[in-house]
Amino acid sequence: DIQMTQSPSTLSAVVGDRVTITCRASQSFSSWLAWYQQKPGKAPKLLIYKTSTLESGVPSRFSGSGSGTEFTLTISSLQADDSATYYCQQYSGYPWTFGQGTKVEIK
Amino acid sequence: EVQLGETGGGLIQPGGSLRLSCAASGFTVSTYYMSWVRQAPGKGLEWVSIIYGGGSTYYADSVRGRFTISRDNSKNMVYLQMNSLRAEDTAVYYCARDGSQRPVQYWGHGTLVTVSS
Repeated sequence: DIQMTQSPSTLSAVVGDRVTITCRASQSFSSWLAWYQQKPGKAPKLLIYKTSTLESGVPSRFSGSGSGTEFTLTISSLQADDSATYYCQQYSGYPWTFGQGTKVEIK
Repeated sequence: EVQLGETGGGLIQPGGSLRLSCAASGFTVSTYYMSWVRQAPGKGLEWVSIIYGGGSTYYADSVRGRFTISRDNSKNMVYLQMNSLRAEDTAVYYCARDGSQRPVQYWGHGTLVTVSS
């Protein structure tokens, strides 16, 4: 199984900051990596798929990059509405696996 | 509009069985990959199972042999039969649909399963 490790587990930043979340895989795989945003009591929302493709309707301040075993989600200018938990997910092979999540807080 | 609605959650004793249902609208379940993803209280997301349009199925190691995913094309429904339930199966269970190159594009609202005596 491919294990996904996210860092940091939590981060606190001010509005306008550039924020980066990293997801490391236990083995290399192709670009089948997605990012989700989840707010309390809600289902996750797809932000990025295939490493760097922005889902329709998602603000352009979100971007994804990476390859091999290291992938990143960047929020170029943090907004108050971005307060949430973010998860990466590999879908290169079964079982699909998620990172443990990164909670983003607004200072 | 794509909509997914899960039902069937509730309180069940360890060792018991439960069947979750997912009603789909706005698309045909037989032409998409349909998944179940769960989230234990206060924890992260865990993929559980998937069924392909052609009927192939895959499972997480933690549920293989106990859970069965299935589909009723005539009712446009997806199911998750859960047997030999354990306390660690307690979670909100989400029904999900894929999209082109996307593992999950649409999510249901989730249904809570609590396994406790």
